[in-house]
Amino acid sequence: EIVMMQSPATLSVSPGERATLSCRASQSVSTKLAWYQQKPGQAPRLLIYGASNRATDFPARFRGSGSGTEFTLTISSLQSEDFAVYYCQQYENWPLLTFGGGTKVEIK
Amino acid sequence: QLQLQESGPGLVKPSETLSLTCTVSGGSISTNIFYWGWIRQAPGEGLEWIGSIYYDENTYYNPSLKSRVTISLDTSKNQFSLRLSSVTAADTAFYYCASHDSSGYEYFVGWGPGILVTVSS
Repeated sequence: EIVMMQSPATLSVSPGERATLSCRASQSVSTKLAWYQQKPGQAPRLLIYGASNRATDFPARFRGSGSGTEFTLTISSLQSEDFAVYYCQQYENWPLLTFGGGTKVEIK
Repeated sequence: QLQLQESGPGLVKPSETLSLTCTVSGGSISTNIFYWGWIRQAPGEGLEWIGSIYYDENTYYNPSLKSRVTISLDTSKNQFSLRLSSVTAADTAFYYCASHDSSGYEYFVGWGPGILVTVSS
């Protein structure tokens, strides 16, 4: 099983500032890495796939990068609607899909 | 646009079987484009993939739950279902149905709103 580890668990950021979230895989997943955004009381929404491809619903301030075992989600200038929990998921090891534990981005 | 909606009991007794259904609208579950999956999330916790089913009824399960899980299709109703047997309090969670691509693109593109299932006597 590929274990996905996210850090930090909680990130406190002021509106307008940059947020940098990390996701690390226990073995290489190439670029088969997705990110999801989850707001309270809602289902997760696909944000990034293929490590760096942004889903159509999301603005350009969201950027995914990385390959192999190290991945980053950067939100360039946090808006109020961006405060949420973000999860990474690997799909290199299909048919066993695994998620990271999540990073909560909260208002500082 | 594909829409998914979970339904089923919100309360299940310990040792019994949890049964949920996902109704798909805006597309056919008989397509070879998508897999149909279940993910769960214990309150305040992270996401856990339970398993997925393809249009040809091939199923893929998380090894940690495989002995207790069955996912099936009902093409006549455009639904797919989850059965989880011998539940305990640890199975209390929000259960989401979701769709993911095939052929190397197994990320979840569509999600239902989720349903909370509590295991309690």
